[in-house]
Amino acid sequence: GAGVSQSPSNKVTEKGKDVELRCDPISGHTALYWYRQRLGQGLEFLIYFQGNSAPDKSGLPSDRFSAERTGESVSTLTIQRTQQEDSAVYLCASSPQAGVYNEQFFGPGTRLTVL
Amino acid sequence: EDKVVQSPLSLVVHEGDTVTLNCSYEVTNFRSLLWYKQEKKAPTFLFMLTSSGIEKKSGRLSSILDKKELFSILNITATQTGDSAVYLCAVENAERAGGTSYGKLTFGQGTILTVHP
Repeated sequence: GAGVSQSPSNKVTEKGKDVELRCDPISGHTALYWYRQRLGQGLEFLIYFQGNSAPDKSGLPSDRFSAERTGESVSTLTIQRTQQEDSAVYLCASSPQAGVYNEQFFGPGTRLTVL
Repeated sequence: EDKVVQSPLSLVVHEGDTVTLNCSYEVTNFRSLLWYKQEKKAPTFLFMLTSSGIEKKSGRLSSILDKKELFSILNITATQTGDSAVYLCAVENAERAGGTSYGKLTFGQGTILTVHP
């Protein structure tokens, strides 16, 4: 079956512009996660969705970052007034359910470059 | 603050060599430790370890967890050029949010493995 997909695969934008990154999780997966990976670094947690609710937004770095999920499916991560330090790969993952001991399946990511 | 540290940060070997990658951690509410392989962008799952001392094996890869000393190792024997990748260690802890608990992953910075022919 289809895995997690993300679009666009690459996005170049100018400082100060808004960007929207999309994630399509595996069908039927209720839990969805967003991560950020800066060059040469591990993954930083941003936000967790259970269904369409986001009970944990603790990783969002500033109020310029927001995310939503609709239909217990697609999620969009929005970054407003982008800054150069926002340049990174943004990865989305999904898992069949919440709770522990659940493998997270990752998408290919969106590489964001802010000029 | 939860912390996961991997070593070495990078490793260069020749085909046929055996490598050992290390992961140490300090987290609250530990539930499991996971290893991922990242070649292009998407990390792919290798192992989930929950119990100390029980080796998980898949082909030339194996991993073991020590919950007393708070570390795990990932071994790759008879390395091949296709093993070249970033290997990520992540620890899952149980977080409570929205009235339920869920597994939150904290990642290490990764080990870059390069295997030369």
